[in-house]
Amino acid sequence: EAGVAQSPRYKIIEKRQSVAFWCNPISGHATLYWYQQILGQGPKLLIQFQNNGVVDDSQLPKDRFSAERLKGVDSTLKIQPAKLEDSAVYLCASSSSRGGGNEQFFGPGTRLTVL
Amino acid sequence: AQSVTQPDIHITVSEGASLELRCNYSYGATPYLFWYVQSPGQGLQLLLKYFSGDTLVQGIKGFEAEFKRSQSSFNLRKPSVHWSDAAEYFCAVGTGRYSTLTFGKGTMLLVSP
Repeated sequence: EAGVAQSPRYKIIEKRQSVAFWCNPISGHATLYWYQQILGQGPKLLIQFQNNGVVDDSQLPKDRFSAERLKGVDSTLKIQPAKLEDSAVYLCASSSSRGGGNEQFFGPGTRLTVL
Repeated sequence: AQSVTQPDIHITVSEGASLELRCNYSYGATPYLFWYVQSPGQGLQLLLKYFSGDTLVQGIKGFEAEFKRSQSSFNLRKPSVHWSDAAEYFCAVGTGRYSTLTFGKGTMLLVSP
């Protein structure tokens, strides 16, 4: 079974530029999560999708961050404009709602550096 | 709101020695508890989870964890550490079977020869 795919793996941008990250979850997983992991900290949830609907986006800075999950499969996370404090690893995870509880499978992440 | 505390930022253990990583949580009801491991440049991998039942949980790679409600703890243990266990370990708590997770800040495990 293929894991969660993310691209790009690394991205360097100037502040005030925009950037987008892509995630392809495990096939059949209805729930998709985006986390932000700042150096030295644990992952912090940004947004959770159930199929193509948003379940929780309470910690998403909506003035600059946006996310979508078209057709309930792939997802993109966008930052516009980026700030220095957005430098972090952005992790995508997915889980199946059919038994097994909330075991989330994580992708390798995208490391964003904002200069 | 729930929270997780991992009191140790770094721990160094000799190869072959036993390991215990501490995790304390704050949540009013029965929590759903997880331990994840993250190797450099990699995503997080689930080691084990606790939902209910037996408070001693076995996981992958020889790890186990014990849920102690009276101490609000879910410490991770391994009887004999291997050099390949060097990584960062995260404890996480969920409030329901399909809830979002709150992670601790992580403990970096270093293994000395």
